[in-house]
Amino acid sequence: GAGVSQSPRYKVAKRGQDVALRCDPISGHVSLFWYQQALGQGPEFLTYFQNEAQLDKSGLPSDRFFAERPEGSVSTLKIQRTQQEDSAVYLCASSSRQGRNYGYTFGSGTRLTVV
Amino acid sequence: GNSVTQMEGPVTLSEEAFLTINCTYTATGYPSLFWYVQYPGEGLQLLLKATKADDKGSNKGFEATYRKETTSFHLEKGSVQVSDSAVYFCALDTSGTYKYIFGTGTRLKVLA
Repeated sequence: GAGVSQSPRYKVAKRGQDVALRCDPISGHVSLFWYQQALGQGPEFLTYFQNEAQLDKSGLPSDRFFAERPEGSVSTLKIQRTQQEDSAVYLCASSSRQGRNYGYTFGSGTRLTVV
Repeated sequence: GNSVTQMEGPVTLSEEAFLTINCTYTATGYPSLFWYVQYPGEGLQLLLKATKADDKGSNKGFEATYRKETTSFHLEKGSVQVSDSAVYFCALDTSGTYKYIFGTGTRLKVLA
């Protein structure tokens, strides 16, 4: 597609519920990133894929967070047993190459609200 | 550790006014510096970048110069338009990696 597509745009989850957030990167982009943006804050790094390999998951806040990209294109960020502190906008970004010095293309994000 | 500090918003200006949004950073090594813009309802878009000291990034009338001596990367535009209303994020990539560290963002509102 023309840009990075994320779905759903909005998700309301009851505390304890599992959620799955989807990211469709730009076709052919090998690098994919997930960021978490809390209200009034800048995005914070969660995890990085190069093709299907998850090369860095150091930003995932707990073992309730899991990300995958099994075929090197679409990625899913899963949050198990959601907590209120998980409420944030989750941003996906992609790049045609390792992005240092090049910048990334971001999606519009999924706003997750845990009630 | 690495960090980015931006001036707090919102910044409200009249059309054709001069814009400065301050950004300072703390980093080890030699990071690249970026400005991203987020229009309402949209994702972050790369506005401009600079990869080494004294580089000037520019795009759409916006400019920022990588000042190593003052660890700054202030965003400027000589004459803002209503369509520039958005949230602006300063960011750096930690030296040698792909991870971005973002500032908290500065909301700009331009009035006609």
